[in-house]
Amino acid sequence: ILNVEQSPQSLHVQEGDSTNFTCSFPSSNFYALHWYRWETAKSPEALFVMTLNGDEKKKGRISATLNTKEGYSYLYIKGSQPEDSATYLCASTSGSARQLTFGSGTQLTVLP
Amino acid sequence: GAGVSQSPRYKVAKRGQDVALRCDPISGHVSLFWYQQALGQGPEFLTYFQNEAQLDKSGLPSDRFFAERPEGSVSTLKIQRTQQEDSAVYLCASSPRGGRNTEAFFGQGTRLTVV
Repeated sequence: ILNVEQSPQSLHVQEGDSTNFTCSFPSSNFYALHWYRWETAKSPEALFVMTLNGDEKKKGRISATLNTKEGYSYLYIKGSQPEDSATYLCASTSGSARQLTFGSGTQLTVLP
Repeated sequence: GAGVSQSPRYKVAKRGQDVALRCDPISGHVSLFWYQQALGQGPEFLTYFQNEAQLDKSGLPSDRFFAERPEGSVSTLKIQRTQQEDSAVYLCASSPRGGRNTEAFFGQGTRLTVV
């Protein structure tokens, strides 16, 4: 994998459903994996920064896991709510570069 | 303010016009980044400052793009002779240190439309 890739591109779920998305990233020279939530008309908001293989992080109903050996991360949302509707971006840093390399995002819509 | 502030929020420019986009980072943040997000894509890196030094400008797409941060706080991204392909959302982000695992704080972006 040369780029950061996210799937699915978009997703509609019913309120109360649990859901998950995938982020794939280059595993060579990996340094850190970031997840952001970007709601319409707002700033992207950091959810998690993970660096170690096997890392799991949780914030309320949202959690994330990291596999640096195979180059993927999962984001889970338990009991989706309409306010979870947003675009979820993942980004990696690698080598000595300071900047984030982003995927194209997963657009989540939670229907009431 | 408490967060990263960008202005203007929206800008419509005629093709060939010069534009300047402003970013006010969080006070005291050392690192500042500019990203460009075209429709349907993720943000792409343009340039990085550590204090007033521009350490990486490898993402600037052409010599029409120029960024500065003369006093290590406010930054301006200037685009000369705008073209339609410059239409995008321009995001600014700052972080307190230069670490690669440090959370970056983003502004709301400037949506540039070149007509």
